[in-house]
Amino acid sequence: DTGVSQDPRHKITKRGQNVTFRCDPISEHNRLYWYRQTLGQGPEFLTYFQNEAQLEKSRLLSDRFSAERPKGSFSTLEIQRTEQGDSAMYLCASSSIGEGFTEAFFGQGTRLTVV
Amino acid sequence: GESVGLHLPTLSVQEGDNSIINCAYSNSASDYFIWYKQESGKGPQFIIDIRSNMDKRQGQRVTVLLNKTVKHLSLQIAATQPGDSAVYFCAENDDRDDKIIFGKGTRLHILP
Repeated sequence: DTGVSQDPRHKITKRGQNVTFRCDPISEHNRLYWYRQTLGQGPEFLTYFQNEAQLEKSRLLSDRFSAERPKGSFSTLEIQRTEQGDSAMYLCASSSIGEGFTEAFFGQGTRLTVV
Repeated sequence: GESVGLHLPTLSVQEGDNSIINCAYSNSASDYFIWYKQESGKGPQFIIDIRSNMDKRQGQRVTVLLNKTVKHLSLQIAATQPGDSAVYFCAENDDRDDKIIFGKGTRLHILP
């Protein structure tokens, strides 16, 4: 257990429905990242937060995706009007920024299946 | 850019032998590198990292080597055990950017 928890672990939804995932990072970490991973591929960066500020969004993140970290602690990732291509593992990671980048710890992920 | 990749998709190693997993990167500005291990159905697990001011770092049974001249990174696992079976990713970060970029991964098979 890395200390990063994600909920739910699995989600099956019908195409067109909205889904929301939650990530609780390690409590003292100020950075929080969202990644997406499809079968056989490495995780792809989606977005990240420093405290409550969303600092960068990948081109992969279409308008149907939105992420929040309202109090600088937990974060949510919402996908609206899901499509079959959204089926993937959604991973959250957190790290603490000190002198330069430090290791990011990942949660177990939320596996989304859109049917 | 999306610059990190691995040479081999699959590596099979006899139990007890040493494993070497290689990684090539193309972003000269990358200054921090990480190896992650990912078991089926789980998130990536941090193994070891190295900063660009070093060329070698050792952990417990693992060693990471960095050759900045040829932009090459390797992970050595000593006395490979069945529990080492997983997909291994190298990842990079440069100080102009705060995201970690992952390669495609190498699946390590341990032969009995």
